[in-house]
Amino acid sequence: AQTVTQSQPEMSVQEAETVTLSCTYDTSESDYYLFWYKQPPSRQMILVIRQEAYKQQNATENRFSVNFQKAAKSFSLKISDSQLGDAAMYFCAYKVGQGAQKLVFGQGTRLTINP
Amino acid sequence: DSGVTQTPKHLITATGQRVTLRCSPRSGDLSVYWYQQSLDQGLQFLIHYYNGEERAKGNILERFSAQQFPDLHSELNLSSLELGDSALYFCASSAGISYEQYFGPGTRLTVT
Repeated sequence: AQTVTQSQPEMSVQEAETVTLSCTYDTSESDYYLFWYKQPPSRQMILVIRQEAYKQQNATENRFSVNFQKAAKSFSLKISDSQLGDAAMYFCAYKVGQGAQKLVFGQGTRLTINP
Repeated sequence: DSGVTQTPKHLITATGQRVTLRCSPRSGDLSVYWYQQSLDQGLQFLIHYYNGEERAKGNILERFSAQQFPDLHSELNLSSLELGDSALYFCASSAGISYEQYFGPGTRLTVT
């Protein structure tokens, strides 16, 4: 069974600094997708970034980028120039490429931004 | 705003009761997914519908059922409610061939 592990229950960073959130996953599939979702205090789940396993290039969305290490099954999220609005729970998620479309989530990392 | 709507936002009910949660997917999306978020279990996949047909089941209790209607909206029915069913229930949708799931704002269910 696929599993996703986020080993950092909480992280904090100074405003304008850079922070990296860790995620590892376990799968025997070769075709899959990885995602980071943000859940602010409003509880809305917001898609931050996605990565296709077949792509070697790391995905980037403005201040958010990932470090995808397929062999190590690692998928970390880097947030540059942290802003107060980045404070939230961040969830790493996995989805197999074919067949079942369900997302498998990690336990989340609570990110605090210090002004 | 993801374009996915869920009603109601909050629901408070008693043990043993039955409730229905409603979800309208983004325009054009054929897939609807239901997830449960609780403190002890985290985010868990419940069920997936595609264009009216059930496609996959996750950790969904027998007391729970769902359906997707011809207009593509979906309902999640929870019956014989227990205290442990208190959670945030999310609906998400995606286009048929897309792999991105967009989440609604959730329904907060409190069972007393």
